[in-house]
Amino acid sequence: GAVVSQHPSWVICKSGTSVKIECRSLDFQATTMFWYRQFPKQSLMLMATSNEGSKATYEQGVEKDKFLINHASLTLSTLTVTSAHPEDSSFYICSARSASSYNSPLHFGNGTRLTVT
Amino acid sequence: KNQVEQSPQSLIILEGKNCTLQCNYTVSPFSNLRWYKQDTGRGPVSLTIMTFSENTKSNGRYTATLDADTKQSSLHITASQLSDSASYICVVSPGSTDSWGKFQFGAGTQVVVTP
Repeated sequence: GAVVSQHPSWVICKSGTSVKIECRSLDFQATTMFWYRQFPKQSLMLMATSNEGSKATYEQGVEKDKFLINHASLTLSTLTVTSAHPEDSSFYICSARSASSYNSPLHFGNGTRLTVT
Repeated sequence: KNQVEQSPQSLIILEGKNCTLQCNYTVSPFSNLRWYKQDTGRGPVSLTIMTFSENTKSNGRYTATLDADTKQSSLHITASQLSDSASYICVVSPGSTDSWGKFQFGAGTQVVVTP
């Protein structure tokens, strides 16, 4: 079946540094990828939508200069948390879909646990 | 206001028993409704996808139902196993072009199966 690989699965970084998270579709071409943030015992919160070759669309309240998203190929999207602070500590999840239809499958990565000290 | 409401927020069931989770939504127009299982510290895994014309769909011991008229869905777990302990998330996909990709997530139901 379709697989979305997210890396790293967990990362600890110091305040002020930047962290890059990768999301790869392993056996399909992902025309659209989504990035979410999830707090403990809460559901996923959409941060941004990225389409291959174009700029990401950010949800209201999400700082695009802080959360840089790049979707340079049909199999790879990256999320870079710049100048990370402790409040950025969270669980980040990506998802990808292969076709532009409403009913196309949405596959999720296994998430990245970010801890900023 | 969240357009997808799930209940109960959490539940504890004995191994081998059945349970039913509820999802009510107000998303309109509506394209499809998905149920996902999310283990702690992992990404969600798809269980079922139903379009507005489908009433029920099964995936092993998981059976989802949909009533598009009342905007309600349920997920029934049969003969629960310890491995069913997880959060179950209802996700609704809008049907309008300007809302494409704007999946609406429920807060999830945390299920704990005890021996």
